[in-house]
Amino acid sequence: GDSVTQTEGLVTLTKGLPVMLNCTYQTTYSPFLFWYVQHLNEAPKLLLKSSTDNKRTEHQGFYATLHKSSSSFHLQKSSVQLSDSALYFCALSSANYGNEKITFGAGTKLTIKP
Amino acid sequence: DPKIIQKPKYLVAVTGSEKILICEQYLGHNAMYWYRQSAKKPLEFMFSYSYQKLMDNQTASSRFQPQSSKKNHLDLQITALKPDDSATYFCASSQDPGFNNQAPLFGEGTRLSVL
Repeated sequence: GDSVTQTEGLVTLTKGLPVMLNCTYQTTYSPFLFWYVQHLNEAPKLLLKSSTDNKRTEHQGFYATLHKSSSSFHLQKSSVQLSDSALYFCALSSANYGNEKITFGAGTKLTIKP
Repeated sequence: DPKIIQKPKYLVAVTGSEKILICEQYLGHNAMYWYRQSAKKPLEFMFSYSYQKLMDNQTASSRFQPQSSKKNHLDLQITALKPDDSATYFCASSQDPGFNNQAPLFGEGTRLSVL
């Protein structure tokens, strides 16, 4: 079945530094990838969704590129802010009609310090 | 205004009791989902419904039963509650299943505590 791996459980950074959160996936079907952000006591909200292979997608200063060759969709930002402290989930939907679910990774908790 | 309404926001139950979690969406979506979030499993898929039909069930226990009385409703009945059922339950929806570049939109969740 489908799976998503996020290797970092916790990431702590100082404000202004760059960040990369890793996401790799496994599926036998054509993949669609998403990044969700969840602030404390809130619902997960969509941050980014993948475009075509090797094409970068951006939103609110975050960006990610789907690389089918390496099954990856890493999330990056060049300069993190205090407000970026949150839980980040990578999620996979595969083009398998009849498999109506999104598979989420375990999440990465990002903490930004002043 | 929230487009996916979940009720109640907080729920405390005793072990062995039964509760119903309510979810309504006003987005005109045809697919609805339930996810569970706890410290052990951050976002765990439970059920998906499409046009009021069950499409996928990844919940091992029959104590969890989704109920769809209308296209924009997907409630979750939980019977014989256990302390391990304590979690936040999120309802989500998307326009249509099978259009795989659609990201589900999540409700605010129901936080369930079983004593």
